[in-house]
Amino acid sequence: NAGVTQTPKFQVLKTGQSMTLQCAQDMNHNSMYWYRQDPGMGLRLIYYSASEGTTDKGEVPNGYNVSRLNKREFSLRLESAAPSQTSVYFCASRLTGGGYNEQFFGPGTRLTVL
Amino acid sequence: DQQVKQNSPSLSVQEGRISILNCDYTNSMFDYFLWYKKYPAEGPTFLISISSIKDKNEDGRFTVFLNKSAKHLSLHIVPSQPGDSAVYFCAASARNFGNEKLTFGTGTRLTIIP
Repeated sequence: NAGVTQTPKFQVLKTGQSMTLQCAQDMNHNSMYWYRQDPGMGLRLIYYSASEGTTDKGEVPNGYNVSRLNKREFSLRLESAAPSQTSVYFCASRLTGGGYNEQFFGPGTRLTVL
Repeated sequence: DQQVKQNSPSLSVQEGRISILNCDYTNSMFDYFLWYKKYPAEGPTFLISISSIKDKNEDGRFTVFLNKSAKHLSLHIVPSQPGDSAVYFCAASARNFGNEKLTFGTGTRLTIIP
């Protein structure tokens, strides 16, 4: 089991460029999440998907779009990158039902927007 | 509005002694609490959790205490080991959101001194 995988690991963009961060999980989890981590801010939820075909906004959704392509994959798109989106992005997944289950995180994508 | 607060950005503890990490929350709807551990350049990993119906949960060297009246939880690590040096995040969720969303604190960097 690879768990939660994210690509790319690192990316440098210029202001205004677009890109898609990819996330996949092989644990047959229902829910998937995108977070960003900034210094002194902890992890903040951008978007989440409680099941295939559904997505919902989190705390900081502006400037981002998501796609739950299938049960395994959940992508995050920046249409027009801004320096404020320089951050480390984490994808997570969770098995729902049968009580509370913790979220499992990927290794992260470090994004720099110049 | 920071609903989950970790007021100590850093903590240094001698190897073999007890490490106590603290977390406060303001939202009375939170009913499940988790601690995650994060090493540099890796994603957070789940450590231990506690439901609001309990006041203590223990797993090996790790114990989490919950004081609902004070809206306070703490993580105790005994004895502390060098491999415990990491950033620790407190997180909380609420059943009225289907436990989908986790709200994270800003983290405490724990350094274990050999």
